[in-house]
Amino acid sequence: DQQVKQNSPSLSVQEGRISILNCDYTNSMFDYFLWYKKYPAEGPTFLISISSIKDKNEDGRFTVFLNKSAKHLSLHIVPSQPGDSAVYFCAASVIGGSQGNLIFGKGTKLSVKP
Amino acid sequence: DVKVTQSSRYLVKRTGEKVFLECVQDMDHENMFWYRQDPGLGLRLIYFSYDVKMKEKGDIPEGYSVSREKKERFSLILESASTNQTSMYLCASSFLQGRQEKLFFGSGTQLSVL
Repeated sequence: DQQVKQNSPSLSVQEGRISILNCDYTNSMFDYFLWYKKYPAEGPTFLISISSIKDKNEDGRFTVFLNKSAKHLSLHIVPSQPGDSAVYFCAASVIGGSQGNLIFGKGTKLSVKP
Repeated sequence: DVKVTQSSRYLVKRTGEKVFLECVQDMDHENMFWYRQDPGLGLRLIYFSYDVKMKEKGDIPEGYSVSREKKERFSLILESASTNQTSMYLCASSFLQGRQEKLFFGSGTQLSVL
């Protein structure tokens, strides 16, 4: 049973426009959420995170929104650039929980077209 | 910068062979992890370790074992490789920032079992 769901396997966006990647979770105990970005043949790299005490966290072109009542978070990239083309993984955990409890979604492949 | 180094980028092995995947981190992190990434399945945790000589099973430990004899090194062992173990293997280490765990990944090993 998937606790973290990324229902869109792929997303295609024009350069300069907004990319919105979505993530849903089922475990109400999750209180810390992260996004990782992965290029082909490379390991994932940390992008941005948010704890459940916030509903928004912004870092440059990247903003993560959290809607706890809907158990939904989204990553906004504005403006999108061709270099943003990668697979994006959403992950969730319980703060202070046991190690290794970071649960990943299946990923969304973003393609930003010039 | 945190560095997580995986010994091989690409490996080709035959069915039944014993395979060792090595991972070294240079940041004195307590926790280390092995994931595999498959298209459409995202990142799945195989094993993790929170201390030297300690190990915990992840979501898909069958067919794998691990070794952590030194803090900086975490090895994944495929006792008898099978074709369904063809995958991208990712090692990670982590530290707690406050009470929030952040993972740092290696570049991955693409293993093909023929």
